[in-house]
Amino acid sequence: EDKVVQSPLSLVVHEGDTVTLNCSYEVTNFRSLLWYKQEKKAPTFLFMLTSSGIEKKSGRLSSILDKKELFSILNITATQTGDSAVYLCAGSNTGNQFYFGTGTSLTVIP
Amino acid sequence: NAGVTQTPKFQVLKTGQSMTLQCAQDMNHNSMYWYRQDPGMGLRLIYYSASEGTTDKGEVPNGYNVSRLNKREFSLRLESAAPSQTSVYFCASSEVFYGYTFGSGTRLTVV
Repeated sequence: EDKVVQSPLSLVVHEGDTVTLNCSYEVTNFRSLLWYKQEKKAPTFLFMLTSSGIEKKSGRLSSILDKKELFSILNITATQTGDSAVYLCAGSNTGNQFYFGTGTSLTVIP
Repeated sequence: NAGVTQTPKFQVLKTGQSMTLQCAQDMNHNSMYWYRQDPGMGLRLIYYSASEGTTDKGEVPNGYNVSRLNKREFSLRLESAAPSQTSVYFCASSEVFYGYTFGSGTRLTVV
């Protein structure tokens, strides 16, 4: 059964902290791993990772994929209150189907 | 603005009523999807359409039907709404090598 598991389920940090969100996956005919940020409505796309060991970076956010160990991490440095959101991880297969984790809820306290 | 447009944004139905959720994208994507999101369960795929003229069941298709009207539009129909279908529904589109673009969601309550 294809599945994506995220940890932790929730996280509370203070502004300025660095956080690491985890995503493990079991997806047959795996193609890519995607990260999304969901605030109040629809998820917004952050990263798509297809190759192991190549870090993707956008400002204070970065992510890397390990296809041997079947996991990905999302790092956020110098967190801000605007980073408070649910972060979703999804694995896609070659048939263009996507499997989502339940998300990690991040709360950043001023 | 380019993107995925869903209507309506909110809807309250009585048990047994029917309704259709509309979705349109203007990014020329081949694939479109309907998801539902429930607390603690993440996004679950209802139906998807890999290309115009094709539709396939996802993880939770029971109680729903879909129509891929053309490349732009993908609708989701509830024939006889049940309280268990109370959820937030998201339409999305994608191309194979790019991530999803989601619509803003429809909050449906069935009483």
